[in-house]
Amino acid sequence: AQSVTQLGSHVSVSEGALVLLRCNYSSSVPPYLFWYVQYPNQGLQLLLKYTSAATLVKGINGFEAEFKKSETSFHLTKPSAHMSDAAEYFCAVSDRSGGSNYKLTFGKGTLLTVNP
Amino acid sequence: DTEVTQTPKHLVMGMTNKKSLKCEQHMGHRAMYWYKQKAKKPPELMFVYSYEKLSINESVPSRFSPECPNSSLLNLHLHALQPEDSALYLCASSLLGQTNTGELFFGEGSRLTVL
Repeated sequence: AQSVTQLGSHVSVSEGALVLLRCNYSSSVPPYLFWYVQYPNQGLQLLLKYTSAATLVKGINGFEAEFKKSETSFHLTKPSAHMSDAAEYFCAVSDRSGGSNYKLTFGKGTLLTVNP
Repeated sequence: DTEVTQTPKHLVMGMTNKKSLKCEQHMGHRAMYWYKQKAKKPPELMFVYSYEKLSINESVPSRFSPECPNSSLLNLHLHALQPEDSALYLCASSLLGQTNTGELFFGEGSRLTVL
């Protein structure tokens, strides 16, 4: 069974500092991996996704993530945090062994706060 | 701007009421989903429709009744809910078939409060 572990339920950074949100996955087959962001009282918005093309994936709002098979990781980074980045971030995995239906498995989420 | 539209954005209902949540998408997606999200938790899958047929029911209580009238619409009918059912209800859609990567497109959610 596939699973996702997000290390750190809460990460706090200063404005302008590096953002690093950690995600490790477990899957019996090569997975598809996603990072979603959720602002307060809103739905989930896709930041970026890995679908077995380039291992370094660039997303919206200056975020990127690197798929490392040897480490089973898909950490999310942004060089310089902005106040508007404060939100909940979810890592999710979807493996390729399913049929026509995919069930995304979400991590527990990491709340990012950005201090001025 | 989201291409999955949910109505209403907020709903308050008593335990004896009957209400419905509605979801609409016009991206040509043939899979639609209902998720329930409690505060500070990840979304939990409730139902999946594929080609307008219910394909996954995650052992959801019968007081929640989904309906997919056509490929663009998804409803969630609510009856005799409990206060613990108060949550954000998220609708999502996705492709099916060879091009499917599992990526979900979410609506903004309907915030439900059960009194």
